Amino acid sequence: GAGVSQSPSNKVTEKGKDVELRCDPISGHTALYWYRQSLGQGLEFLIYFQGNSAPDKSGLPSDRFSAERTGGSVSTLTIQRTQQEDSAVYLCASSLSSLHEQFFGPGTRLTVL
Amino acid sequence: GQNIDQPTEMTATEGAIVQINCTYQTSGFNGLFWYQQHAGEAPTFLSYNVLDGLEEKGRFSSFLSRSKGYSYLLLKELQMKDSASYLCAVKGPNYGQNFVFGPGTRLSVLP
Repeated sequence: GAGVSQSPSNKVTEKGKDVELRCDPISGHTALYWYRQSLGQGLEFLIYFQGNSAPDKSGLPSDRFSAERTGGSVSTLTIQRTQQEDSAVYLCASSLSSLHEQFFGPGTRLTVL
Repeated sequence: GQNIDQPTEMTATEGAIVQINCTYQTSGFNGLFWYQQHAGEAPTFLSYNVLDGLEEKGRFSSFLSRSKGYSYLLLKELQMKDSASYLCAVKGPNYGQNFVFGPGTRLSVLP
């Protein structure tokens, strides 16, 4: 497929556990974004990668959240010591550059019990 | 920083026309995007405006006035499948968090 893919589609975890969410962007897209969306709410920016530049981490809500992008392609968002308020849909998007429209993946629905 | 405002909910009738407004305040501007998001799905791109005026794409049109910090999305000949949330997003002068999404407008199309 040519779209953005994310895995897993659903993740249920216990409070205090660590989780890893994966995003495969569209090939050739240099920009990659992570967002969080709680039920009925708008998109909350988390982190942005652009090529080999240092990522913009200004949206990460706490130091329990981190992300990396290996080889300018696949990205992993890690949440350590999950809390119930981390429950949300985590969306990944990629674009040709920061000035182009974003293409979103289907999201990962995270539920922290 | 950037601040974006949209109506929370709107209702319209099948076959009608609806206009969804978006106002924004930003320290810099590099374009405004509209996205459609059906319940339980990811957002999909609808339109992009960087210059003042109207961009038309089939049943959907988007207008921008940079001096007023204002945009609208116009949907014509409404169909039931147009029931969704419509997100306005503004691109600021820098990358990353300067791409900010508004809260979205939930549109319900009634028969």
